[in-house]
Formats: sequence, structure tokens, C-alpha cells
Amino acid sequence: DAKTTQPPSMDCAEGRAANLPCNHSTISGNEYVYWYRQIHSQGPQYIIHGLKNNETNEMASLIITEDRKSSTLILPHATLRDTAVYYCIVSPNTGNQFYFGTGTSLTVIP
Amino acid sequence: GAVVSQHPSWVICKSGTSVKIECRSLDFQATTMFWYRQFPKQSLMLMATSNEGSKATYEQGVEKDKFLINHASLTLSTLTVTSAHPEDSSFYICSAPRGLGTSGAYEQYFGPGTRLTVT
Repeated sequence: DAKTTQPPSMDCAEGRAANLPCNHSTISGNEYVYWYRQIHSQGPQYIIHGLKNNETNEMASLIITEDRKSSTLILPHATLRDTAVYYCIVSPNTGNQFYFGTGTSLTVIP
Repeated sequence: GAVVSQHPSWVICKSGTSVKIECRSLDFQATTMFWYRQFPKQSLMLMATSNEGSKATYEQGVEKDKFLINHASLTLSTLTVTSAHPEDSSFYICSAPRGLGTSGAYEQYFGPGTRLTVT
């Protein structure tokens, strides 16, 4: 079962940073935090992942709290194409047990 | 980057017939693949884990005799919906994990999905 909770929806103005929170208070030591997004009627797309440290790539930044019980995905300059459902997933380092929660539907507004 | 394909992308079938959906990892081998189902405006629900060389593992509440899974090779898993009914109409998505270097993390590569409509 999913071990994450996210707000169901958020809006963000185009060009501004989108900050998407996720709670995973029961995360275990061997579990990573992954973020994926799904644009309507497509397969989910990988964004970023992390274990303890903050991470950044060309798509986004991931901020993980020191106690690892929550994280925030940051899209630094949201565009209309970032409108999607964003999923935060906690999964162990085995490649298995990849359960989706309800996700956050992000709408980027012109 | 790694790619996972699914075939067909959409299918319409009559009630009572069976439908086979293929999932292929195109440039990497996957001893494990996963099958998800997604109803409109809902999240992805994990149905089963497909294991190469052994039986699939089904999530609680998923009928293994209705959703037959065969992991024929290290790059191919198939899901057969047997005796399909309208309530089986859904978006079926597969994924395959690939290790991310030495970090211990895995990235799940998802297929584009198969839209099944049972009439």
C-alpha cells in the first residue's frame, strides 16, 4: 500500500516555482523517495529521486527533511506543459513495492 | 534512455472474449515487471508482479485466474484478461525497474499504457 499523502490539487502561475509537498512519516531506512508525473492518458514519467540528501536535476529539485518524514518537489519555473498529476512514491532498494498514492493534480495557470 | 513498450495501445473487445497485452523492455533486461490498472480520474493500482521464470505475484483482491500473467523472457511480459466484461474496461500500464548505478535506487520505466474497452 502507498505510504505517502499529498494534497489532491494545486495551482501555480506560469513562470513561478511550484512546490509540491509529500508526507511519508512511516518511511523506512532503506526506502527511497521517488517523484513521477503523469500527463493525461500516458504512462508515468520519472522526475527525480532521493534517499537523504537534497537532489537536483534538469527537471526539478527534491528537498527531503532531515527526519525523512516529508519531502517537497520543486519545479523552479513552471510552464503550461507541467500541468499533470504528480506522484510521490516511497519504495525500498529492491525495485519492488512501487505503490502509487492519490497524487497531486497540478494546474499551471497562464 | 530506457524504453518500455506496450502493445496494443488500445483495444476494443466483446464481452466474454480474452485480450492479451504485451509489455516489452526494449533496451534492458527485466527479471521483474509490474502491471497496473487505472480507472478514470483515479491513481494507478498495482495488480501484480510478473517474475521471469516463476509465477506472478498478485496483489490482494486481484483474481489470478482472470488476469493471467506470463513472463516469457527477460524482455517480455504478457497480461491476458480472460472472459473480459465491461467492468474490466480500464487503462492498463506496465513497468520495469532498472537499477540506477551503484546507488541502490531503481527507476521504474513505464509503458505508454493500453486502453481496454469491453463492449
